[in-house]
Amino acid sequence: QAVVTQEPSLTVSPGGTVTLTCGSSTEAVTSGHYPYWLQQKPGQAPRTLIFDTTNKNSWTPARFSGSLLGGKAALTLSGAQPEDEAEYYCLFVYRGAVVIGGGTRLTVL
Amino acid sequence: EVQVVESGGGLVQPGGSLRLSCAAYGLTFSSYWIDWVRQAPGKGLVWVSRIHSDGSKTNYADFVKGRFTTFRDTAKNMVYLQMSSLRDEDTAVYYCVILPPGYWGQGTLVTVSS
Repeated sequence: QAVVTQEPSLTVSPGGTVTLTCGSSTEAVTSGHYPYWLQQKPGQAPRTLIFDTTNKNSWTPARFSGSLLGGKAALTLSGAQPEDEAEYYCLFVYRGAVVIGGGTRLTVL
Repeated sequence: EVQVVESGGGLVQPGGSLRLSCAAYGLTFSSYWIDWVRQAPGKGLVWVSRIHSDGSKTNYADFVKGRFTTFRDTAKNMVYLQMSSLRDEDTAVYYCVILPPGYWGQGTLVTVSS
């Protein structure tokens, strides 16, 4: 099964822009991987920000967007807020199974 | 508003069994694939299993194959995760997840310990 790779940690300044990426160890990521982006804060359940590459849920702040970038899935945060400090996971639904990355710890500082 | 609710977690001895339940409100539960994802204390999210909307297909992570079974009761609008031969390393919060669009429950804690 493919390994999903994410940056272990990133830092962004308040109001700044940052892009998190998510790759597969076996192939380029496409829309057929149905990429998801999850946000988890300490002590809370995860919540889904992005599904199927670019789609937002009703609770997803407008400053988050999903895309494909250079063979990877990408989550871009434009105008970071202190409350965006969290762990971000990407998830693929692929070939009947689900794989989840190890997470990116995003610090807003 | 959609709500996903897990139940059934608790303390169980190694080698024991436990059944988790998942219910969802605010949507037609029987139309969705249902996944189970777990998170060990201080660790990341790990996918466990999934079941087709009609219950006809299931898939499991290698580390639970032969030990865990997921099934659904359409009449009761419930999905279950039957866990057996539990190990210390199965200790985790277990989440019921609906993909897409990604509805998560609050999780239920399973502790495997003697």
